[in-house]
Amino acid sequence: AQSVTQPDIHITVSEGASLELRCNYSYGATPYLFWYVQSPGQGLQLLLKYFSGDTLVQGIKGFEAEFKRSQSSFNLRKPSVHWSDAAEYFCAVTAYNNDMRFGAGTRLTVKP
Amino acid sequence: DAMVIQNPRYQVTQFGKPVTLSCSQTLNHNVMYWYQQKSSQAPKLLFHYYDKDFNNEADTPDNFQSRRPNTSFCFLDIRSPGLGDAAMYLCATSSLLAGETQYFGPGTRLLVL
Repeated sequence: AQSVTQPDIHITVSEGASLELRCNYSYGATPYLFWYVQSPGQGLQLLLKYFSGDTLVQGIKGFEAEFKRSQSSFNLRKPSVHWSDAAEYFCAVTAYNNDMRFGAGTRLTVKP
Repeated sequence: DAMVIQNPRYQVTQFGKPVTLSCSQTLNHNVMYWYQQKSSQAPKLLFHYYDKDFNNEADTPDNFQSRRPNTSFCFLDIRSPGLGDAAMYLCATSSLLAGETQYFGPGTRLLVL
């Protein structure tokens, strides 16, 4: 079965600094990979997804992620973080049957 | 805009008093999911429907039931809520295509007194 690991429980960055959130997955075939963001008390909003093709995918709010098969990773990046980016970020993977597995999440704090 | 709607956004119930949470969607998606999310944890899938076919996760307690009367609506029934059932409950939908995105509603926060 597929699984996802997000090694960082909590990350703090200064506003304007770059950001990278790590995600590693385990799955025998080519996975479908997602990044979601969740603000406090809200549902999950899709940032971006990877199905196939170009390994660098662009998402909303200036986020991008790179799929690296050799490292089983799908890290999320943003060149300059805004205070409004403070939230919980979840990496997720699905198999062909749409059984979605989430990582434990990374909480992002943005310092002024 | 097409979307996933959950009502109510906040629900307070008493220990052991049945409660129903509702989800509706305007996306016309075949698949609907219910997740439980406790504080600072990832969402945990409870069950999902492929059209009218109900699929229960192996570790979902019997206390949790679901109904899907039509494509647009899905309900989560908690027959006898315990203190441990206090959580955010998220509804999501997707199409049948492999690897399709799941679209989430805003969630219902359940408090059990």
